[in-house]
Amino acid sequence: NAGVMQNPRHLVRRRGQEARLRCSPMKGHSHVYWYRQLPEEGLKFMVYLQKENIIDESGMPKERFSAEFPKEGPSILRIQQVVRGDSAAYFCASSPLTRGGHRNEQFFGPGTRLTVL
Amino acid sequence: QKEVEQNSGPLSVPEGAIASLNCTYSDRGSQSFFWYRQYSGKSPELIMFIYSNGDKEDGRFTAQLNKASQYVSLLIRDSQPSDSATYLCALKTSNTGKLIFGQGTTLQVKP
Repeated sequence: NAGVMQNPRHLVRRRGQEARLRCSPMKGHSHVYWYRQLPEEGLKFMVYLQKENIIDESGMPKERFSAEFPKEGPSILRIQQVVRGDSAAYFCASSPLTRGGHRNEQFFGPGTRLTVL
Repeated sequence: QKEVEQNSGPLSVPEGAIASLNCTYSDRGSQSFFWYRQYSGKSPELIMFIYSNGDKEDGRFTAQLNKASQYVSLLIRDSQPSDSATYLCALKTSNTGKLIFGQGTTLQVKP
């Protein structure tokens, strides 16, 4: 069974460009979460999506960041007009259908390391 | 007060010893608790989860939860150098999907 897949693994962008990060959840998983890990900092929640729905975007910066999880294809985290402070590791995690509310383990992908020059 | 607090370490133990990693949390509504291991430059790997008060054992790992004291811990028996990593404590509150992480504790197991 393939795990959570993310691509690209490394992405370099210049200030002002757009970054698109992709995530394919584990087979059978319908919940996708995005987290960001800044250098020397902890993991911070960004957004929680199900197919065609954003469930919780309380961790998303108000501007430049957006996420989607279409009916077909991977989830995408999009960062417009990147700045140096966006340099970080972006991790996607997935979990199966809810079977007890809070009792869903999340499994992480390998991450995308974004570097903004 | 941080929602999830961990001592950043490093915690250094000799090979074969028991490593004890601790985590406290502030929200009494927290229901699910998770321990992840993260090697440098890699992604978090789920190693244990616990929902009920008490102990839960899985191989060399034991998770302990005390909701009254708002405390969760991870014990690693017979520590190996390959256990050297950062251990992240995470929790969920109520039915929200998001995980709230602590800063992580760095464990060093010395041969």
